[in-house]
Amino acid sequence: AQSVTQPDIHITVSEGASLELRCNYSYGATPYLFWYVQSPGQGLQLLLKYFSGDTLVQGIKGFEAEFKRSQSSFNLRKPSVHWSDAAEYFCAVGARAAGNKLTFGGGTRVLVKP
Amino acid sequence: ETGVTQSPTHLIKTRGQQVTLRCSSQSGHNTVSWYQQALGQGPQFIFQYYREEENGRGNFPPRFSGLQFPNYSSELNVNALELDDSALYLCASSFQGPTEAFFGQGTRLTVV
Repeated sequence: AQSVTQPDIHITVSEGASLELRCNYSYGATPYLFWYVQSPGQGLQLLLKYFSGDTLVQGIKGFEAEFKRSQSSFNLRKPSVHWSDAAEYFCAVGARAAGNKLTFGGGTRVLVKP
Repeated sequence: ETGVTQSPTHLIKTRGQQVTLRCSSQSGHNTVSWYQQALGQGPQFIFQYYREEENGRGNFPPRFSGLQFPNYSSELNVNALELDDSALYLCASSFQGPTEAFFGQGTRLTVV
């Protein structure tokens, strides 16, 4: 069974500082990996995805993530955080064999200090 | 191109009642998945529909059921509501195969 762990429940970062959110997954084959962002009371917006190929993927809003197979990780980064980046971030793993069911981590809430 | 739309946005039901939530998939998408997101948690997969057939189910009891229609829209039905069913219900549409899913804004269900 696939699983996702996001070790940090909350992260507080100053505006303009860099941000890194951790994600570790467990899956027996090559995973499909995603990062989604959720504003309070809203649905999920896709930030970026990894299916294959280049292990450094670029997404929207200046985010990027790096797939490291040896560490079973898919960490999300942003060089300079804006106040509008305050939200909850979810890492998810998908598996074609499971009908593209997504398994999500518990989320990391990001607070941005002025 | 329209996105994924869900209705209603909010709903309050009494324990023991039944509820139907609706989802219109993004134009062209043939696969709809439903997720339950309890407060403070990540979404949990309920089930997926592809070409009007259930195509995968998570760890949810049979009182959670669904339908997909020929236009690929979908319904989630929950019978015999329990207090723990209070959550944000998210619908996601996609193509079948390794591809991203696009989520609606969700339906906030409160069971009292």
